[in-house]
Amino acid sequence: ILNVEQSPQSLHVQEGDSTNFTCSFPSSNFYALHWYRWETAKSPEALFVMTLNGDEKKKGRISATLNTKEGYSYLYIKGSQPEDSATYLCARLNTGNQFYFGTGTSLTVIP
Amino acid sequence: KAGVTQTPRYLIKTRGQQVTLSCSPISGHRSVSWYQQTPGQGLQFLFEYFSETQRNKGNFPGRFSGRQFSNSRSEMNVSTLELGDSALYLCASSPRQGASARYNEQFFGPGTRLTVL
Repeated sequence: ILNVEQSPQSLHVQEGDSTNFTCSFPSSNFYALHWYRWETAKSPEALFVMTLNGDEKKKGRISATLNTKEGYSYLYIKGSQPEDSATYLCARLNTGNQFYFGTGTSLTVIP
Repeated sequence: KAGVTQTPRYLIKTRGQQVTLSCSPISGHRSVSWYQQTPGQGLQFLFEYFSETQRNKGNFPGRFSGRQFSNSRSEMNVSTLELGDSALYLCASSPRQGASARYNEQFFGPGTRLTVL
């Protein structure tokens, strides 16, 4: 993998469903993996900063895991709510201190 | 604390003109990064400034430049605008830079929407 890739590109789920999406990234020269939530007409907001292989972070109904050896991170949302509708971005920080963002997963939660 | 502010929020220019965008970081943050987002693309890293020095630069032509002032405010300049420069430009601030920065989340401003006609 040369770039940061996110899948799926977009997702529609019913309120109450749980969902997850993937961020894949080059595993070499890895420094950190950031997840951001970007709601329409707002600024991207940090969710998690993950640095160690096997890291698991949780904030309310949202959690994330990190596998630096194989180069992927999963973001999970349990019991999706309409207010979870947003674009979720992941960004890889390399040892050169540069961020590389994926194109995001656009989540729509249908009431 | 006040968040990251960017001015102007919207801008319309014509090809060949130049433009300056401004970013004021969160008080106490010394690192400011700039990003470009065009439709279908992820945020593309432009450059990062820390203590008035450019520390990192993305893969953009020399028409894109920036600077940082002693109060950590930063400006980004694009000269000889092209149609393809139409984009949302975001800046983000962070407390630190370098090895310790890996643990720091970035705080984003609302962006400047630039349209080049």
